[in-house]
Amino acid sequence: EPEVTQTPSHQVTQMGQEVILRCVPISNHLYFYWYRQILGQKVEFLVSFYNNEISEKSEIFDDQFSVERPDGSNFTLKIRSTKLEDSAMYFCASSTRPNAEAFFGQGTRLTVV
Amino acid sequence: AQSVSQHNHHVILSEAASLELGCNYSYGGTVNLFWYVQYPGQHLQLLLKYFSGDPLVKGIKGFEAEFIKSKFSFNLRKPSVQWSDTAEYFCAVNVGAAGNKLTFGGGTRVLVKP
Repeated sequence: EPEVTQTPSHQVTQMGQEVILRCVPISNHLYFYWYRQILGQKVEFLVSFYNNEISEKSEIFDDQFSVERPDGSNFTLKIRSTKLEDSAMYFCASSTRPNAEAFFGQGTRLTVV
Repeated sequence: AQSVSQHNHHVILSEAASLELGCNYSYGGTVNLFWYVQYPGQHLQLLLKYFSGDPLVKGIKGFEAEFIKSKFSFNLRKPSVQWSDTAEYFCAVNVGAAGNKLTFGGGTRVLVKP
């Protein structure tokens, strides 16, 4: 069964450092997403991406965040200068079209120290 | 902005008991509704979804959910749970005909005792 894969599963970084979280969406999917879940809080939408551009983003997704599809298979989330409050589980997801079922990866647990 | 609330944070029940998890959303327009499940150590998986049509939706593993538009609710049910249903359950809403983001409820942790 096709699945969304995310690497790494865990990432520890120092405050102020840049991190790149990587995702390989399902191959025939066209819509890509990042969500995050801070410990004890709700899963929150960060950004959606289609046709090589951001289609929607939340207020969380400020200038410190960026997304990219550098090749035909990867979808990355970059946090330019991490803050303690960026510590969370980050989930990548993909779908065939908007409002269709989103398939989620297993997540990357990011810890900023 | 839309919001989703799940009534219970934690539910503990015994095998063969019936399960009902509440979900309410706040949005007056067209909505697409989802229940996702996250088993321990695994990724979010879709249990069932409602886009239109019959408001009683059947999903995988014996789960069903009923959309009641007048109550803005989409409650999840299973008549007889198994130990393997131990997981966290998330209700989510996607608004509009081309909505491309999910708004999640806070999740309900379900523990089924053998």
